[in-house]
Amino acid sequence: RKEVEQDPGPFNVPEGATVAFNCTYSNSASQSFFWYRQDCRKEPKLLMSVYSSGNEDGRFTAQLNRASQYISLLIRDSKLSDSATYLCVVTPFGGYNKLIFGAGTRLAVHP
Amino acid sequence: DGGITQSPKYLFRKEGQNVTLSCEQNLNHDAMYWYRQDPGQGLRLIYYSQIVNDFQKGDIAEGYSVSREKKESFPLTVTSAQKNPTAFYLCAVNQGAGSYNEQFFGPGTRLTVL
Repeated sequence: RKEVEQDPGPFNVPEGATVAFNCTYSNSASQSFFWYRQDCRKEPKLLMSVYSSGNEDGRFTAQLNRASQYISLLIRDSKLSDSATYLCVVTPFGGYNKLIFGAGTRLAVHP
Repeated sequence: DGGITQSPKYLFRKEGQNVTLSCEQNLNHDAMYWYRQDPGQGLRLIYYSQIVNDFQKGDIAEGYSVSREKKESFPLTVTSAQKNPTAFYLCAVNQGAGSYNEQFFGPGTRLTVL
């Protein structure tokens, strides 16, 4: 089983739609969680950290469920510019800042 | 202008050659990392360094070597022993121990073996 698993997609949605991605992780002792965004042939960029209480940044909401070992990302009012691959990232406990990356979920927003 | 630079952007290597990828940062961050990304796969950690003159193997270190002689620089050498080196190589930094583990990436180097 992979340490971090994501549905590869693609998720094809119209502009204005709400879309949600889930990600599961296998190590229950994982301590930090992130969503990164990666555009085609570019480097990953930090989208948001995921806190135990959940957090929101504009149209983006991230949630953490430690009991079920998954994190989620909700995007409301999708824009064409949201088209990208979204990477779920986890830091294992005591991992010395080591990040474990999921393979990513591709989102395509169309007019 | 603060940031992470990687060079070259594209690199072509012949079989049997060693090549060195550059990573420089002026963010004054302690920790630096090298990852490779293959199509359809997550990033995989090659090497990381928490402080100058110290580095640790990641999950896929075989066929690679690094050095950390200066805080600003963490070059990666892809040796001829690396069986399948064609990939997208990404350098990352973070603030080190005590930070929230967020890492920030350079623009990457695409290596192709001819």
